[in-house]
This record gives sequence, structure tokens and C-alpha cells, in this order.
Amino acid sequence: GAVVSQHPSRVICKSGTSVKIECRSLDFQATTMFWYRQFPKKSLMLMATSNEGSKATYEQGVEKDKFLINHASLTLSTLTVTSAHPEDSSFYICSARASRTIANYGYTFGSGTRLTVV
Amino acid sequence: TQLLEQSPQFLSIQEGENLTVYCNSSSVFSSLQWYRQEPGEGPVLLVTVVTGGEVKKLKRLTFQFGDARKDSSLHITAAQPGDTGLYLCAHDLLASGTYKYIFGTGTRLKVLA
Repeated sequence: GAVVSQHPSRVICKSGTSVKIECRSLDFQATTMFWYRQFPKKSLMLMATSNEGSKATYEQGVEKDKFLINHASLTLSTLTVTSAHPEDSSFYICSARASRTIANYGYTFGSGTRLTVV
Repeated sequence: TQLLEQSPQFLSIQEGENLTVYCNSSSVFSSLQWYRQEPGEGPVLLVTVVTGGEVKKLKRLTFQFGDARKDSSLHITAAQPGDTGLYLCAHDLLASGTYKYIFGTGTRLKVLA
């Protein structure tokens, strides 16, 4: 159980276009999802916390208008990279948790999306 | 901002050697998780530690939580090439009424055959 599906796994887009990445919880309801960005050989950097039915909470330094997050249902959060530029090329990963319970340690992660902007 | 510092950042060792990775913070954790990540994939949970002083073993991996719950270590005995990967510690952080899940700076391990 607790499977998170992230799609697409790999995308190449032209500079100036927008790209949408989907993160779905397949067998549980995720009230909270997190979006991370990972540079080569580096750790995961939290970009934003996505809460179902409310606005996302962005980390300092993350442009809200560049990285649009929508968590419209309990099973789906999307990250849209708007007007993408080569510097947006990166590995993006989502994670989800169902609820904060003492038994719910750890989070389930998507398999990531490799974005390349050319 | 990375609140969890891991050391070393990078480690290259020969097969059969032992190693220890550290995760440190100035904050107290309610719990801490360790993950392993391979290139192009999401992190995979290895263990959760909760109690100060707790020791957990997962085959050749031994995880320890500091008595004050501000640090943790991962010890690998007789490392194998299959242990190669990025090792990450992580924990929940409550900030401004919102829970965040923060990762450490990471330790890249390379085990040579």
C-alpha cells in the first residue's frame, strides 16, 4: 500500500513553454504532498508543501509564479513549471502522506520527473 | 535551507570495508528517517528511529539515534557494491503551523568491487 505515482518520468521541452507534472496517491488519500527539487549529486530541496483545498506553502526563494502547485483533490497534486528556462532543468520529486499518525512514519515518494529545458 | 547536516558528503571505499555516516542538527527530532536513493529514482525508506538511544539493525546496516534525539548515525558493515547510493536522513518539521519534511545534505557512497 501507500503508492505514489508521478508522471511523466522524463520530459524535454522548449524554452518558454510550460510543463505540468502530476503526483497521484493511488491507494490512499493524501492531505499533504511535498514537492522537491534535486540537483545532480545533491540532496532533495523542499520547494513547497501542497495542502488539499488550500494554497501551497512555498519555501523561501521559490518563485510562486514560476512553480504553480494545485492540490485540487485528495489524490492529486500538480506542479506546473511555467515559461521554463534551461536553468529549470532538474529532477523533481513529489511525496505524500495520508495523515499524521504515530504509525505513519516516513513518506511515500514518486519516482521523480527528469525535466530538461532546451 | 538545510537544517540537517550529514557527514561525510562523499565516501568512496573498497568492498568489505566498514563505514559510518552521520546526521546532525541543533534541533530535537520526534523521529528521524533514513533513506537510500539511486540515480533517477525516488528515495526508499530504510528505517525510522524514534526513541533516544535507540539502535536498529537492518542486515548489515545499523542505525543509532542519539540520546538527546538531535543526531543519528548509520553504520554499514562489510560494504558491498550494491550499497552504492545516496544516503539521506530526514525528519518532520513543524514551522508556522505547517508540517514540512526536510532532508539532510546527503552522503554519496561509492563501494568499489
